[in-house]
Amino acid sequence: IELTQSPSFLSASVGDRVTITCRANQGISSYLAWCQQKPGKAPKLLIYAASTLQSGVPSRFSGSGSGTEFTLTISSLQPEDFATYYCQQVNSYPLTFGPGTKVDIK
Amino acid sequence: EVQLVESGGGLVQPGGSLRLSCAASGFTFSSYWMHWVRQVPGKGLVWVSRINTDESSTRYADSVKGRFTISRDNAKKTLYLQMNSLRAEDTAVYYCTRAGVGLWYFDLWGRGTLVTVSS
Repeated sequence: IELTQSPSFLSASVGDRVTITCRANQGISSYLAWCQQKPGKAPKLLIYAASTLQSGVPSRFSGSGSGTEFTLTISSLQPEDFATYYCQQVNSYPLTFGPGTKVDIK
Repeated sequence: EVQLVESGGGLVQPGGSLRLSCAASGFTFSSYWMHWVRQVPGKGLVWVSRINTDESSTRYADSVKGRFTISRDNAKKTLYLQMNSLRAEDTAVYYCTRAGVGLWYFDLWGRGTLVTVSS
């Protein structure tokens, strides 16, 4: 299953509302996760099952979608949110990740 | 502290072998499915392999099938990745991850170990 993300790069300011889209080339129900990765660090799980917030993750992060189209929304971008975001499908093997969306400071 | 710590990376020649280890602590290692994910520096994440709790089931990416072997020692709380017939395209940071949410989602990651395949 191939995942695409848009945009691939996003420039935004602190306080902005940010939306990232992930599309699958076939239906994956809600078997989708979002993770955040900062330079030189391991990824961190943010959202699983398309819309469930992982424990400890701030509520400004939210996820939605099912089937083939999914979104990650950051309601008010904070300085610590500048990072690369990946979607990942766990519907079937091989598990796959999207190519990533880098969120940079405007 | 709940953590995963990878080791065993390094420089190896094409065609060579390397075994990565991932030491788990702070949780009941034997209860979780475990995975390896790799990342070429500056590039995206690529899933490599998965093992279930008792080693009865393993899965591999096509790119490593037949060359890599995932295993675990629950008594030692350690995950392994035996990598044979290494190629330049296997060069990456290798992360071990825990599928701690619903058997599928990666809720805990190690810091990674760099494998460089070069002559």
